[in-house]
Amino acid sequence: DAKTTQPTSMDCAEGRAANLPCNHSTISGNEYVYWYRQIHSQGPQYIIHGLKNNETNEMASLIITEDRKSSTLILPHATLRDTAVYYCIAAESQAGTALIFGKGTTLSVSS
Amino acid sequence: GAVVSQHPSRVICKSGTSVKIECRSLDFQATTMFWYRQFPKQSLMLMATSNEGSKATYEQGVEKDKFLINHASLTLSTLTVTSAHPEDSSFYICSAINSGSNSYEQYFGPGTRLTVT
Repeated sequence: DAKTTQPTSMDCAEGRAANLPCNHSTISGNEYVYWYRQIHSQGPQYIIHGLKNNETNEMASLIITEDRKSSTLILPHATLRDTAVYYCIAAESQAGTALIFGKGTTLSVSS
Repeated sequence: GAVVSQHPSRVICKSGTSVKIECRSLDFQATTMFWYRQFPKQSLMLMATSNEGSKATYEQGVEKDKFLINHASLTLSTLTVTSAHPEDSSFYICSAINSGSNSYEQYFGPGTRLTVT
């Protein structure tokens, strides 16, 4: 699996957009970019994933650069409940492939 | 949506005893489940891959005789920590892949907090 690099921590004001970057310069052609988050003392929660195209769902948007070497997760209107550790993972989408977690980005949303 | 449960949510046991943690996929079948361990202020660390009807595959450095994994049905995997010691105190999290889906998305359980005294 390709290694990903994320900033250790970020701050965001409530109601503003949170833009979380991720570098995955060694990603291979069949690896997807997955984003999960973990709120304190809970299991990870799936947010979004993508291969080449930008993706959007009810939680967030995922912007992947054309060369696929980096991506940005966008939470359009951050709330206090979005305070969590956000993990960006590059992995193949196939049965039997575990997700390998890095250190992630601790996002702190304040009022 | 797909739900994965874990039982118990937290357990305290004495050193030298064994503890069993259950991981269930509630509304889908899971041929493959994974077990992770997370120490305070650290990331999730993959321990093993659990395959229904076959032996688990353990990551390097994880003692298979200490962490017994059984995946006897398509909806249940169990992790037994044998002869637990205080250093085994951790947050144990399982995840499952929906066998009937083409997306191979992983769904995570809520975790089990193990404290060994």
